[in-house]
Amino acid sequence: DAGITQSPRYKITETGRQVTLMCHQTWSHSYMFWYRQDLGHGLRLIYYSAAADITDKGEVPDGYVVSRSKTENFPLTLESATRSQTSVYFCASSESGSVSPLHFGNGTRLTVT
Amino acid sequence: SQQGEEDPQALSIQEGENATMNCSYKTSINNLQWYRQNSGRGLVHLILIRSNEREKHSGRLRVTLDTSKKSSSLLITASRAADTASYFCATDASGGSYIPTFGRGTSLIVHP
Repeated sequence: DAGITQSPRYKITETGRQVTLMCHQTWSHSYMFWYRQDLGHGLRLIYYSAAADITDKGEVPDGYVVSRSKTENFPLTLESATRSQTSVYFCASSESGSVSPLHFGNGTRLTVT
Repeated sequence: SQQGEEDPQALSIQEGENATMNCSYKTSINNLQWYRQNSGRGLVHLILIRSNEREKHSGRLRVTLDTSKKSSSLLITASRAADTASYFCATDASGGSYIPTFGRGTSLIVHP
């Protein structure tokens, strides 16, 4: 089915562990984004990618790493998870950045204990 | 920092009434988009309005853009209980940036 999928849907991990959140889209959109959503902050941009092998920092990139070796995948890695990274993470894709609509996954709820 | 901010933070109305939400932003934009988020789900695109447009319609939704005031409004007419959701605006920054950033959203509750 065409769409954008995130996995896992829920994740609990311990402080200091490495965690990777997956994002896969089937449209071959050029742009992909990672946002985190926290109460009182709305959505904040972590990283984005304009094409395969091109990534750039957003508003809150510290503690996160991304890669985009294939157009359809955009994994987000927390190298050493901290409690402040407890959040809901959303992946999105679009054809042309803000010139076209973003399509969002259903999110990953991450809890760091 | 976030470019756009929605106002009010929360809105509670009765079914059948109109709901108006506003978005103000700081710097000039290329495009502005509105999204809806139902509880526990991802955001869903509603309308995209370009900086050279002043108004767009989609069903019961009407979006206006005033670039001189750096603001936009989303009007939902004849609201329904199913319109209960959070609404977000997303703006980019003109000058070559086509990366959307979001505000904190407006939480709309429509009472049956």
